[in-house]
Amino acid sequence: DGGITQSPKYLFRKEGQNVTLSCEQNLNHDAMYWYRQDPGQGLRLIYYSQIVNDFQKGDIAEGYSVSREKKESFPLTVTSAQKNPTAFYLCASSISPGQRSYEQYFGPGTRLTVT
Amino acid sequence: GIQVEQSPPDLILQEGANSTLRCNFSDSVNNLQWFHQNPWGQLINLFYIPSGTKQNGRLSATTVATERYSLLYISSSQTTDSGVYFCAVPNSGGYQKVTFGIGTKLQVIP
Repeated sequence: DGGITQSPKYLFRKEGQNVTLSCEQNLNHDAMYWYRQDPGQGLRLIYYSQIVNDFQKGDIAEGYSVSREKKESFPLTVTSAQKNPTAFYLCASSISPGQRSYEQYFGPGTRLTVT
Repeated sequence: GIQVEQSPPDLILQEGANSTLRCNFSDSVNNLQWFHQNPWGQLINLFYIPSGTKQNGRLSATTVATERYSLLYISSSQTTDSGVYFCAVPNSGGYQKVTFGIGTKLQVIP
């Protein structure tokens, strides 16, 4: 089955620790994205990558970092500099950035709680 | 950047009822997606509809790009339709970045 997997589903960390969220896709999509969702809110873009070894900041990149060493993988690190990291994190992917269209597909998400 | 407004913010329906959800956007777009977020948080693609009308079972969607709105119709609602419905449109100048509305929270009661 083609799709997007995120792990773990739930993650608990102490304040001051960095934590890395995994996102893997086998849809052969070029573009990948990380979003943050807070209770009762829409999705806000953290980082996106249109191709391997390249990524751009989204609207709320401060306190986060990413890498894109493989087409299938786009891990997100929530650093200790992120002031309010507790949230629901969603990873998405879409087809080639060369097309003037998009359709995004989402993974099941990771709920991060930092205390 | 582009602004996206969804209405109503909350909706409670009796099972079997019909409903219309609206998405307004502030700039012209060439793409629009509707999603359903189920109670477990999973975002499910409903429609990719830059213009015109599409139907999928009890759900249909219409986008009128020239008037900057899209409508999602749910007919004969079921309890499994409960959740939050989002629309998303691309940011101007960056067709791979999108902006989401804050969603319509739907509760279907038996």
